[in-house]
Amino acid sequence: QVQLQESGPGLVKSSETLSLTCSVSGDSIGTADWSWIRQPAGKGLEWVGRIYTRVSTESNPSLKSRVTMSVDMSKNQLFLRLSSVTAADTAVYYCARDHAICVSGICYDAFDVWGQGTLVTVSS
Amino acid sequence: QSVLTQPPSVSGAPGQRVTISCTGSSSNIGAGYDVHWYQQLPGTAPKLLIYANNNRPSGVPDRFSGSKSGTSASLAILGLQAEDEADYYCQCYDSSVSEVFGGGTKVTVL
Repeated sequence: QVQLQESGPGLVKSSETLSLTCSVSGDSIGTADWSWIRQPAGKGLEWVGRIYTRVSTESNPSLKSRVTMSVDMSKNQLFLRLSSVTAADTAVYYCARDHAICVSGICYDAFDVWGQGTLVTVSS
Repeated sequence: QSVLTQPPSVSGAPGQRVTISCTGSSSNIGAGYDVHWYQQLPGTAPKLLIYANNNRPSGVPDRFSGSKSGTSASLAILGLQAEDEADYYCQCYDSSVSEVFGGGTKVTVL
């Protein structure tokens, strides 16, 4: 059973860098793509970015210049860094497996496993 | 404002059928990209409910079904149950902004 667990400081000061870790068990991070998704309190989901083929990344254009993602294959962990944070970055942050689900020889990518999420609050 | 538009809320009595629409554009749903649906129960992480327009992952009851046509997609819940009360999100790839979600729809069981 694949499980994802986010961790990191729950409080970050405005203008500083948010750093989160996603620990993966039950699957090797080298076998799938992985995304970060966030959700402000009472609001909808926003895709933050994806890391694929272990080193390539793709980010939400609205956040692109501030987002850095990486992996540690030896620890089976993913990392997210979001720089110059403001109150607008306060949210629950999820990591999710972006996995190919194959049916009758056709494969489709979807976020099939999610972590429980971690709340990050940006303080002034 | 979300790239994919969903109604903020829908409601129905137990046993009824409810549908949730997800309206996109020619850069996402209309471009042929697959639509996925997620269910988020109160206080929990989202869970994949429907993938690639109309496919259910193992363990998802068959009262949930999805469809797609043109620039829109829909999620239907047949025989609504109290445990279906949750937020539902559609998601698709967009050629301009990459992965996008709908704003979410709260389903209330009356």
